[in-house]
Amino acid sequence: EAQVTQNPRYLITVTGKKLTVTCSQNMNHEYMSWYRQDPGLGLRQIYYSMNVEVTDKGDVPEGYKVSRKEKRNFPLILESPSPNQTSLYFCASSFLAGEKDTQYFGPGTRLTVL
Amino acid sequence: GQSLEQPSEVTAVEGAIVQINCTYQTSGFYGLSWYQQHDGGAPTFLSYNALDGLEETGRFSSFLSRSDSYGYLLLQELQMKDSASYFCAEGAGSYQLTFGKGTKLSVIP
Repeated sequence: EAQVTQNPRYLITVTGKKLTVTCSQNMNHEYMSWYRQDPGLGLRQIYYSMNVEVTDKGDVPEGYKVSRKEKRNFPLILESPSPNQTSLYFCASSFLAGEKDTQYFGPGTRLTVL
Repeated sequence: GQSLEQPSEVTAVEGAIVQINCTYQTSGFYGLSWYQQHDGGAPTFLSYNALDGLEETGRFSSFLSRSDSYGYLLLQELQMKDSASYFCAEGAGSYQLTFGKGTKLSVIP
């Protein structure tokens, strides 16, 4: 089954404790992206990657890191989480320059930073 | 930068037709996408317009006018399960994708 998976789905942590949210896709997509969703603000892009070892900042990259060592995986790293990073996070993937610009989203990770 | 404006809430009756508008201001424009998101769920792709005109997919249609920087999503024969948030988004899938803040559609009996 074609899908984007994220882990963990739910996480409660404390300020300053490094964490990683994993994202994996099995569709051989070149493009992967991370978004955060906050009430009243919609989805905002954090980072995106157009292929292995190619990443770029989105609209709200501060406080986040990413890596793309393999095509299928795109982990999101919070080196020192803060309460303002409490949010719902989505990973997404798509083919590059597809006829239909369809992004496939993972199920989301709800993060709470105390 | 990009910005997209859409109404925050819309209410419509089951069986009716509803139109959700989206206006955009962008420094570069690739196309307009529409996504549906049910409460607690992930966004799912509905439609994409790269060129002016209407795209139809079953009960859903999407329209784009580049000259007016405007698009809309049209939902026909509304069903209760269509109650969800709908987002317009600008950009190609392989570039920076900017989303509007979403329109919460409530379908009432």
